[in-house]
Amino acid sequence: NAGVMQNPRHLVRRRGQEARLRCSPMKGHSHVYWYRQLPEEGLKFMVYLQKENIIDESGMPKERFSAEFPKEGPSILRIQQVVRGDSAAYFCASSPPIQGYNSPLHFGNGTRLTVT
Amino acid sequence: AQTVTQSQPEMSVQEAETVTLSCTYDTSESDYYLFWYKQPPSRQMILVIRQEAYKQQNATENRFSVNFQKAAKSFSLKISDSQLGDAAMYFCAYRSDYGGATNKLIFGTGTLLAVQP
Repeated sequence: NAGVMQNPRHLVRRRGQEARLRCSPMKGHSHVYWYRQLPEEGLKFMVYLQKENIIDESGMPKERFSAEFPKEGPSILRIQQVVRGDSAAYFCASSPPIQGYNSPLHFGNGTRLTVT
Repeated sequence: AQTVTQSQPEMSVQEAETVTLSCTYDTSESDYYLFWYKQPPSRQMILVIRQEAYKQQNATENRFSVNFQKAAKSFSLKISDSQLGDAAMYFCAYRSDYGGATNKLIFGTGTLLAVQP
C-alpha cells in the first residue's frame, strides 16, 4: 500500500513563474492537508481539502496560492508568480474519512521549492 | 489561538544514553491531542508518539515515552537507549479535538537531535 506520494521532489522556478505541486493521498484516504515548512521552522498549516471541496483555507496566503482536490486525480497546490519568499518545503498529508484518534495524518516526503 | 513552543533548538546525546526533549503549549481547550513527529534528513515526517489530553497515563512506544503534565501544559519526549538512527529533527504538535476539529496540526519549531557514537 503506497504511502502519500508527492511530486516533484524538487522544483526550481524563476521569479514570476508558476509552481504546481502534486499530492496523491494514501489509498482510501479522502482528506488532504497541505503544510509549508520554511527554513529553520516547523510546519505550518495551509489548507484542508476533501474531494472537490475546500474545508479550511485559513493558512493560505490571500494571493497567488490556490489548492484543489478534484474528484479524479491528485490534489494540486498552485503558486502563481512565485517570489523568493515562497522557497520552502511543501508537505502533503492525508487521512481517512473518519476523524479521530485512530486516523493519524500520513505525510508525504514533501516537495522542496526553490525560487531563483 | 494555540501555540507550541520547543525551547531547545539542538540537543545531543551519547549512543545508548537517555535524552529528554521539551515541549510546552498554550491552549484554553481541555480536549486535544499532542504528538511528537520525527523528521530525518530524508524529510519524511514520521509519527513517533501521540497522547490524548483526557488520558492521565503517559503514552509509551518502545524506547519512546512522554511526560504529559496537563496543568503545566508540558509534553516532553524521552528517548531511552538512544540509537544512531534516532538522529533527526523532532517536532511537537498540537491538535484540537473540538467539534469540527480536523487534523489541522500546530507545530513547534523543532529540536535537532544529534546522537554521538
